[in-house]
Amino acid sequence: GAVVSQHPSRVICKSGTSVKIECRSLDFQATTMFWYRQFPKQSLMLMATSNEGSKATYEQGVEKDKFLINHASLTLSTLTVTSAHPEDSSFYICSATDPRPRIPLHFGNGTRLTVT
Amino acid sequence: RKEVEQDPGPFNVPEGATVAFNCTYSNSASQSFFWYRQDCRKEPKLLMSVYSSGNEDGRFTAQLNRASQYISLLIRDSKLSDSATYLCVVNMGGSSASKIIFGSGTRLSIRP
Repeated sequence: GAVVSQHPSRVICKSGTSVKIECRSLDFQATTMFWYRQFPKQSLMLMATSNEGSKATYEQGVEKDKFLINHASLTLSTLTVTSAHPEDSSFYICSATDPRPRIPLHFGNGTRLTVT
Repeated sequence: RKEVEQDPGPFNVPEGATVAFNCTYSNSASQSFFWYRQDCRKEPKLLMSVYSSGNEDGRFTAQLNRASQYISLLIRDSKLSDSATYLCVVNMGGSSASKIIFGSGTRLSIRP
């Protein structure tokens, strides 16, 4: 079946550095991908909707200059956390809409970011 | 009012029990409905879609009540492996670039 691959699965970085997370749809074209953040024991929070070939749509309260999203192809979206701070430490998950009916989303395995 | 609401739980039930979750949604024009399961520190995975006529998959039964705008998930003969967070997902947009809203999730813990 369709698979979404997210990389890296775990990253530790120092404050002030930038981290790029990749999300790939492996066997289908994803015109729309979503980026979520999840803090411990909390629900998934949608950060932004990534549309191939156009600017991402950010949810209220999410800084677009801090969380840079690029969706340059139908199979790849990237999220770059710029100038990371310890409070950015979280679990980041991407998902992609599936063109087949009745399967709304496939999720990447997630990236656990720790900023020291 | 949240667009999709779930009881956060946690539900703590003994193995073999039957447990049910409800999820309400605000947009009466919502198109499709799903239950996802999320294990700790893992990504959500599709458990089952929810059809208007109700549907069953083994020990799991999902139902949709459009008049009252809620969906439900029933788990019979619960197993220890059913312990997870169950996410209600509602597609409010209907198109490929749809508006998919997650509930906050209901935590279920099955005890021996």
